[in-house]
Amino acid sequence: NAGVMQNPRHLVRRRGQEARLRCSPMKGHSHVYWYRQLPEEGLKFMVYLQKENIIDESGMPKERFSAEFPKEGPSILRIQQVVRGDSAAYFCASSRKGLNTGELFFGEGSRLTVL
Amino acid sequence: GESVGLHLPTLSVQEGDNSIINCAYSNSASDYFIWYKQESGKGPQFIIDIRSNMDKRQGQRVTVLLNKTVKHLSLQIAATQPGDSAVYFCAERPRDDKIIFGKGTRLHILP
Repeated sequence: NAGVMQNPRHLVRRRGQEARLRCSPMKGHSHVYWYRQLPEEGLKFMVYLQKENIIDESGMPKERFSAEFPKEGPSILRIQQVVRGDSAAYFCASSRKGLNTGELFFGEGSRLTVL
Repeated sequence: GESVGLHLPTLSVQEGDNSIINCAYSNSASDYFIWYKQESGKGPQFIIDIRSNMDKRQGQRVTVLLNKTVKHLSLQIAATQPGDSAVYFCAERPRDDKIIFGKGTRLHILP
């Protein structure tokens, strides 16, 4: 049973370009979470989605960032017009419907570098 | 904003000794308090959690203690091994299903 799959693992973009990060949850999981991690820091919650619905996007920057989790296919975190401050590791996690424990299953992350 | 924080950024422990990693939290309404381990270059990995109505829970070589009076959470690792080297994050789950992480403690194992 494959775990949470994220791609690309590494992405380099120039300022002003777009970055798209993909996340396929574990089989049977319908809820996806995105977190951002700066070097030597903790993970900051960005957004929580289920299929075709955004449940909580309180951690998403107001501009340039968007997320979706379509009925078919992976969840996508999209960053438009990237700036150097967007350089970070972006982690996706998944869970079954609802969360009745503290356990999320994380992917290996996508590391974005903005030149 | 973040409501979970850690006392020490780095902890060095002799191999074979017990490790104790501490954490302070501020959100008393959380349902679960959790510990995650993150090895270099990898995603966080769940270790153990504890419900807010408990004060102790044991797993394999790990014990989590919750003191709600002083809003303190700790992770005890018995007989620390080289493979325990990682950054450990405490986290909490408020009643809205997302998990909030603290800043992390790096555990360094001395030979």
